[in-house]
Amino acid sequence: DAGVIQSPRHEVTEMGQEVTLRCKPISGHNSLFWYRQTMMRGLELLIYFNNNVPIDDSGMPEDRFSAKMPNASFSTLKIQPSEPRDSAVYFCASSLPSSGNYEQYFGPGTRLTVT
Amino acid sequence: AQSVTQLDSQVPVFEEAPVELRCNYSSSVSVYLFWYVQYPNQGLQLLLKYLSGSTLVESINGFEAEFNKSQTSFHLRKPSVHISDTAEYFCAVSDGRDKIIFGKGTRLHILP
Repeated sequence: DAGVIQSPRHEVTEMGQEVTLRCKPISGHNSLFWYRQTMMRGLELLIYFNNNVPIDDSGMPEDRFSAKMPNASFSTLKIQPSEPRDSAVYFCASSLPSSGNYEQYFGPGTRLTVT
Repeated sequence: AQSVTQLDSQVPVFEEAPVELRCNYSSSVSVYLFWYVQYPNQGLQLLLKYLSGSTLVESINGFEAEFNKSQTSFHLRKPSVHISDTAEYFCAVSDGRDKIIFGKGTRLHILP
């Protein structure tokens, strides 16, 4: 298995631009998580989906952030408009809780820089 | 609500010395416990986990952790560290539903 795939790996954009981060979970996994990691705030859960349905989006910072999961093999996290304080590494993770494993598998992350 | 406390944000240790990274959790239900490792510029990887059974769990690279229910702890230990163990280590807890709650992480610095 290729693992969790994220794209792009690096993104540099100017303040005010729209940014879209993409994630392909491990095939067969039905839970998907978006995290943000910064030096100041550590690892934060932004939102997670189960069977393509958003379950908990309480970690989404504000309305500028939105996430979708149109099917079991693809999810996006969009920031519009982007701001310098959004600079961080964004991780996607997937899991299959029904297997009794509960382990989350992380992608390599997208390093976002907003100038 | 569940929570995880990693008391040490950074731990310096000399190469070949032993190390313990502390983790305490709070939960009102049965828990599943994890240690993840993040090497520089990489994503998080599972190091070891406790789901049930033996309270002592081991990883393939010499780390071990012991689930202590009475002390609500899951400390990570290694008897002799190597420079390649330089990383950030995250303790995490799950109640068996979808979410895992992560601690704030402990940076392990190996000194030559």
